[in-house]
Amino acid sequence: NAGVTQTPKFRVLKTGQSMTLLCAQDMNHEYMYWYRQDPGMGLRLIHYSVGEGTTAKGEVPDGYNVSRLKKQNFLLGLESAAPSQTSVYFCASILTGGLRRNEQYFGPGTRLTVT
Amino acid sequence: GNSVTQMEGPVTLSEEAFLTINCTYTATGYPSLFWYVQYPGEGLQLLLKATKADDKGSNKGFEATYRKETTSFHLEKGSVQVSDSAVYFCALSDNSGNTPLVFGKGTRLSVIA
Repeated sequence: NAGVTQTPKFRVLKTGQSMTLLCAQDMNHEYMYWYRQDPGMGLRLIHYSVGEGTTAKGEVPDGYNVSRLKKQNFLLGLESAAPSQTSVYFCASILTGGLRRNEQYFGPGTRLTVT
Repeated sequence: GNSVTQMEGPVTLSEEAFLTINCTYTATGYPSLFWYVQYPGEGLQLLLKATKADDKGSNKGFEATYRKETTSFHLEKGSVQVSDSAVYFCALSDNSGNTPLVFGKGTRLSVIA
């Protein structure tokens, strides 16, 4: 059971380049989330999904797009990267039922630098 | 809306000192409350949780009690170790279903030998 995995772990982009961050979970969780973490800002929710084929905007969605074509995967895309998107990105998933409901499981993070 | 406020850090303690990190919340209904820990270079991990008033969550020597009357969920540990150095996040779930967890901004703890 790998839990929540993220690919890649590190990436450096030039301004204007695009990329996709992949999050995968093998726990059959319904809900998945993308956060960014910046110094002094805590975690900020970018987008989330409550099921396959559904996505919703979080607190800071601008400049990002997401897709959830398969239940186990949640992709975060940057179409035209900007230096303000330099951050550490975390994916998370959640159980919606049972004793462990609402316990959020996090991936190890992707450190992205945009120059 | 729902919100979580936790004490700002950083907090620096000597080994074996007593730790308290304050967390208060605003929510309607009966939320579940969580503490997450983030060690350097890692993602967040669930440390403990409480799902109803007066519940006490505990793990690895840390404790927090769900106090509805004071809307608080303060994290405590009687004797901290250097290995406890991390960032601690308080979080809330309104248990309604679709609403994401609400996180506090995190408190950085440094324990020195």
